[in-house]
Amino acid sequence: DSGVTQTPKHLITATGQRVTLRCSPRSGDLSVYWYQQSLDQGLQFLIQYYNGEERAKGNILERFSAQQFPDLHSELNLSSLELGDSALYFCASSPRAHYYNSPLHFGNGTRLTVT
Amino acid sequence: QQQVKQSPQSLIVQKGGISIINCAYENTAFDYFPWYQQFPGKGPALLIAIRPDVSEKKEGRFTISFNKSAKQFSLHIMDSQPGDSATYFCAASGGRTGANNLFFGTGTRLTVIP
Repeated sequence: DSGVTQTPKHLITATGQRVTLRCSPRSGDLSVYWYQQSLDQGLQFLIQYYNGEERAKGNILERFSAQQFPDLHSELNLSSLELGDSALYFCASSPRAHYYNSPLHFGNGTRLTVT
Repeated sequence: QQQVKQSPQSLIVQKGGISIINCAYENTAFDYFPWYQQFPGKGPALLIAIRPDVSEKKEGRFTISFNKSAKQFSLHIMDSQPGDSATYFCAASGGRTGANNLFFGTGTRLTVIP
């Protein structure tokens, strides 16, 4: 068990809808990362938060947004959903802003299906 | 554009054999190269990582070989076991792209036959 908790495990919704994915990092970890895993694209980095502030941004669509709360949990909001947004969404955490000497710990993901 | 190219897509190895997965990259600013292991229904977990100042790193049955001039690195799993059956991802980060943006390969599904 990585210590990173993601909810819900599965989510099925319709196109055009909005969903929120939740992540609780490992105890003591200040950084939260969001990744999208699809069959054809592999794992794609979306965004990182460190201690409540946005730290780094990857290939995150404008329809997607995230935030990290004072208790360090994070939420990824996906809006105006399209069929192509169907994927596994992973959250990962690490103790510091930079993971070079502190590996990323991944949660078990949220599987989003857009119908 | 795939920053890290991984091959093969799938690999079947007999128990006790050597599994070899290869990755290549273009961005010479990359300076951190981890390998992740992912079992079905689970998130990826760090297996082993290397920096470009060494050519090889070994941890138990797992070895990373790194060729800086060729911009290639590979994972060798010695004495492969059925429990090693999983999907393996190489990754790279560093430089102007942002050290926190970890670029993953597309994964290799390894099956170890008893």
